[in-house]
Amino acid sequence: QSVLTQPPSVSAAPGQKVTISCSGSSSNIGNNYVSWYQQLPGTAPKLLIYENNKRPSGIPDRFSGSKSGTSATLGITGLQTGDEADYYCGTWDSSLSWVFGGGTKLTVL
Amino acid sequence: QVQLQESGPGLVKPSETLSLTCTVSGGSISSYYWSWIRQPAGKGLEWIGRIYTSGSTNYNPSLKSRVTMSVDTSKNQFSLKLSSVTAADTAVYYCARVRSYYDILTGYYTGWFDPWGQGTLVTVSS
Repeated sequence: QSVLTQPPSVSAAPGQKVTISCSGSSSNIGNNYVSWYQQLPGTAPKLLIYENNKRPSGIPDRFSGSKSGTSATLGITGLQTGDEADYYCGTWDSSLSWVFGGGTKLTVL
Repeated sequence: QVQLQESGPGLVKPSETLSLTCTVSGGSISSYYWSWIRQPAGKGLEWIGRIYTSGSTNYNPSLKSRVTMSVDTSKNQFSLKLSSVTAADTAVYYCARVRSYYDILTGYYTGWFDPWGQGTLVTVSS
């Protein structure tokens, strides 16, 4: 049982938009910044979004992040088959212990 | 750019100590936090802990009693020891650089992991 709650799976057609939610509490998301990671099959996770909505160099603007209260959302537009992956959110908890969401598997139909 | 590479035994016996090292190349290990994160097969990510190059550490409360992290700045390496392992500790272990600071304007802590090592599978079995 993860501290941060994500839907186990989401799906959408190529070219469409999808959002992935990450729900927490005031002891984590509510009072800290959120980052998002993409894990393609068989590979290590890769940073996608940091500080709620910032993209590292090289991450296309099809990927976006937002935060409101104790929840965060990852958005992906113009879906491509190469976006099929597991996505994880994460943040600090009040005890300065890092917590991840359980992960969401994105299927591009 | 900075690259990380995990190394260590792929097989550890139950009740023994798992030991892994992460070697940092392409940049200095100094003045950053560094973390270990693991992932059992087919499951999600679990943060194990972080260490600053001064040796200061924070550990996952659920693993704290069994975890020790250390850093060797002369070798640009940091290490993980996990004692009294069981089959539940079988996982792919990743090392990662942590960017982390306290934002005095918002009162929030920020943090993110980038880059990551490729990961190393550790199996606990007799």
